[in-house]
Amino acid sequence: EVQLVQSGAEVKKPGESLRISCKASGYSFISYWITWVRQVPGKGLEWMGSIDPNDSHTKYSPSFQGHVTISADKSISTAYLQWSSLKASDTAMFYCASGYYYDNKAFDLWGQGTMVAVSS
Amino acid sequence: QSVLTQPPSASGTPGQRVTISCSGSSSSIGSNTVNWYQQLPGTAPKLLIYSNNHRPSGVPDRISGSKSGTSASLAISGLQSEDEADYYCGIWDDSLNGWVFGGGTRLTVL
Repeated sequence: EVQLVQSGAEVKKPGESLRISCKASGYSFISYWITWVRQVPGKGLEWMGSIDPNDSHTKYSPSFQGHVTISADKSISTAYLQWSSLKASDTAMFYCASGYYYDNKAFDLWGQGTMVAVSS
Repeated sequence: QSVLTQPPSASGTPGQRVTISCSGSSSSIGSNTVNWYQQLPGTAPKLLIYSNNHRPSGVPDRISGSKSGTSASLAISGLQSEDEADYYCGIWDDSLNGWVFGGGTRLTVL
């Protein structure tokens, strides 16, 4: 089955580090970009950045550049989103998405989402 | 504030036709194709329309997309209660060198 499966919900304190994951299965992981999307509770979708799993080339939104790191391990078909120092304002749902079905023209395959709550 | 502008809300009664607009610029909608996503409450977004007017497998033909100049529209005819959701337009923006989403439109079926 073609799917993206994300890691579970996290509860962290400000200043802590975190890495969440997105595991692809059922298709060639290295052939399609993986994108991370943030959704603050009650708000809209925000593009954070994307990675080409084949060579780990990344593009970041200026809004997130320097605050998060996107990476991928093609040996285990998994992409990651990580923070070195979380802030309360990082509380949100995070989705990974791929352009598998329509050749990167759109985000046509989505993970189920990972909720991150940051509170002291 | 997003570079793609959508109305925050839309509504209609069952059976009606509703449209949701998405306004952009020459570097976004004017240069690239538009995608639309549906997000039902508590779920991940789902691709509804890609490349302006193409429906993924499984999306009913009462849902359609169009683009003209720097604007795009999503149309839903034969409105059903199951259509009540948030809808987002999304596109690659050449000047930002990245993907952008509209602010989203909440569709209410009265």
